Amino acid sequence: DIVMTQTPLSSPVTLGQPASISCRSSQSLVHSDGNTYLSWLQQRPGQPPRLLIYKISNRFSGVPDRFSGSGAGTDFTLKISRVEAEDVGVYYCMQATQFPYSFGQGTKLEIK
Amino acid sequence: EVKLLESGGGLVQPGGSLRLSCAASGFTFNNYAMNWVRQAPGKGLEWVAVITMTGDGTNYADAVRGRFTISRDNPKNTLYLQMNSLRAEDTAVYYCTREPAGTCDIWGQGTMVTVSS
Repeated sequence: DIVMTQTPLSSPVTLGQPASISCRSSQSLVHSDGNTYLSWLQQRPGQPPRLLIYKISNRFSGVPDRFSGSGAGTDFTLKISRVEAEDVGVYYCMQATQFPYSFGQGTKLEIK
Repeated sequence: EVKLLESGGGLVQPGGSLRLSCAASGFTFNNYAMNWVRQAPGKGLEWVAVITMTGDGTNYADAVRGRFTISRDNPKNTLYLQMNSLRAEDTAVYYCTREPAGTCDIWGQGTMVTVSS
């Protein structure tokens, strides 16, 4: 099974400042079809998860462009260029390259 | 509007059964694989099961294989999760999600399942 490890687990950030979350997989996430099925999700307090980024770097519909994803193979990063108050919540990386699908432990983003 | 609405959660005793439903609307249901993902209270996300567009293929997490069954009724635009032999560790919010090849792009609001005597 693929284990997803996120760092940090908690990230206090000042409003307007950047934030970065890392996600490392225990195996390469490159699928036999050539795609890398690594996604980032946001879960605001009391809400269901919401898709932000799919296939490493593609922003989902309606996601602000201050969110960006990068990486390859086993190392991936989610960046928020300027944190806003509405970005508070828990962020998860998820792999869907191999069954069983798996999630990182979650990174809690909070405002300093 | 694309929407997923789960139902069927509740309180059940250990060893009992429950059937969750997920009603889809606003998109062509049989064009997408569908997943169930759960979240125990105060914990992270855990993938549970997936079913192909036509329903002819399924896959499960080890923790639920042999006890849970995912199915779908495409004419009714509905996804199901039959849960048998429930355990305390199955207590969680259960979300259904749409999968357009390699991601979960739409999530329902979730339905709470509590396994307790």
